[in-house]
Amino acid sequence: KQEVTQIPAALSVPEGENLVLNCSFTDSAIYNLQWFRQDPGKGLTSLLLIQSSQREQTSGRLNASLDKSSGRSTLYIAASQPGDSATYLCAVATQGGSEKLVFGKGTKLTVNP
Amino acid sequence: NAGVMQNPRHLVRRRGQEARLRCSPMKGHSHVYWYRQLPEEGLKFMVYLQKENIIDESGMPKERFSAEFPKEGPSILRIQQVVRGDSAAYFCASSPIVVWGSMNEQFFGPGTRLTVL
Repeated sequence: KQEVTQIPAALSVPEGENLVLNCSFTDSAIYNLQWFRQDPGKGLTSLLLIQSSQREQTSGRLNASLDKSSGRSTLYIAASQPGDSATYLCAVATQGGSEKLVFGKGTKLTVNP
Repeated sequence: NAGVMQNPRHLVRRRGQEARLRCSPMKGHSHVYWYRQLPEEGLKFMVYLQKENIIDESGMPKERFSAEFPKEGPSILRIQQVVRGDSAAYFCASSPIVVWGSMNEQFFGPGTRLTVL
């Protein structure tokens, strides 16, 4: 059974700092891994999708890496801004696991001005 | 191209009533997924549907919950005789036709927040 863990559960940083969010998963047989952003009381916004054959994806100040063999992914946020404050969710699609996504519980990020 | 639509955005029900949650997938998407987010919990898969077919309902509670995706119209998640423990945010996602051996990106709707009094 796939399990996804995100560390830390919460993170508070000053504006401008670079930061890394971590995601680990127990079954390395995945199709892809997605990082989402969720604002309080809102839906999910997809940030980056990494296919199992890829090592990283970049979008603006965001960079996500994937090490499938070790069951790890990181989301790197450069030059953080107060507008980056949100909960960041990691989700994996496991081979042989229907088409469902298995989510971590998220990392709540606060960027202080 | 509108995104995934869900309505209502907020729903209040009293214990014992029925709740109906609707999801309209993105245009051209034929696969719908329902997830539930309980307070202080991560999102949990409930059910995966294609038009007129339930593909995987392994995450659905055995009683009171049902889902459908008819040939015409939105997907419906139905909860009968709601209890306080059903209070949660329910998210719908859609994806285009799935290619064998791979998996497409899922696009999420804004969610329906159900409160059971």
